[in-house]
Amino acid sequence: NAGVTQTPKFRVLKTGQSMTLLCAQDMNHEYMYWYRQDPGMGLRLIHYSVGEGTTAKGEVPDGYNVSRLKKQNFLLGLESAAPSQTSVYFCASSWAGEETQYFGPGTRLLVL
Amino acid sequence: GENVEQHPSTLSVQEGDSAVIKCTYSDSASNYFPWYKQELGKRPQLIIDIRSNVGEKKDQRIAVTLNKTAKHFSLHITETQPEDSAVYFCAASKSNYQLIWGAGTKLIIKP
Repeated sequence: NAGVTQTPKFRVLKTGQSMTLLCAQDMNHEYMYWYRQDPGMGLRLIHYSVGEGTTAKGEVPDGYNVSRLKKQNFLLGLESAAPSQTSVYFCASSWAGEETQYFGPGTRLLVL
Repeated sequence: GENVEQHPSTLSVQEGDSAVIKCTYSDSASNYFPWYKQELGKRPQLIIDIRSNVGEKKDQRIAVTLNKTAKHFSLHITETQPEDSAVYFCAASKSNYQLIWGAGTKLIIKP
């Protein structure tokens, strides 16, 4: 089992460009999450999904969109990147009814 | 909403000594409190957790204690080793799909 994987590992964008981050999990987890991690601020939830076809806003959703068309995949989109979105993005997943979250390796994004 | 404060932000201890990291939470309805460890450049991984119906939980050299009245919980690491060097995050939850995270504690183990 690969667990939770993320692509790409690293990306540089110019302000205003768009991109999609892909998260995939092979553990048949119902719940999936997108976090951003900034120095001194811990992990902040951007969006989450409790099942295929459903998404919900987290703590810091502005500037991001998500989609969960397949149970195993959770996509995070940036329509018009801003320097404030420079961060490390982590995807995580968990079983319904269990709180333990399993994280992907992270995507480092730099917006110039 | 829930708020989780974590202290200290950096903790330096001598190898072999104990380390204690503390977190406070604001929502008395929170009932699940995990601790994650993140090594440099790696992903966060769960190391121990506790539920509100338990006051203490141990797993070898690590333990977590919970004081519901005071709304705080702590991570205790005994006989620290170099591989304990990492950033530790606490979190709190009252649902099974949304964790509120502390800002993290960088633990440095001095040889």
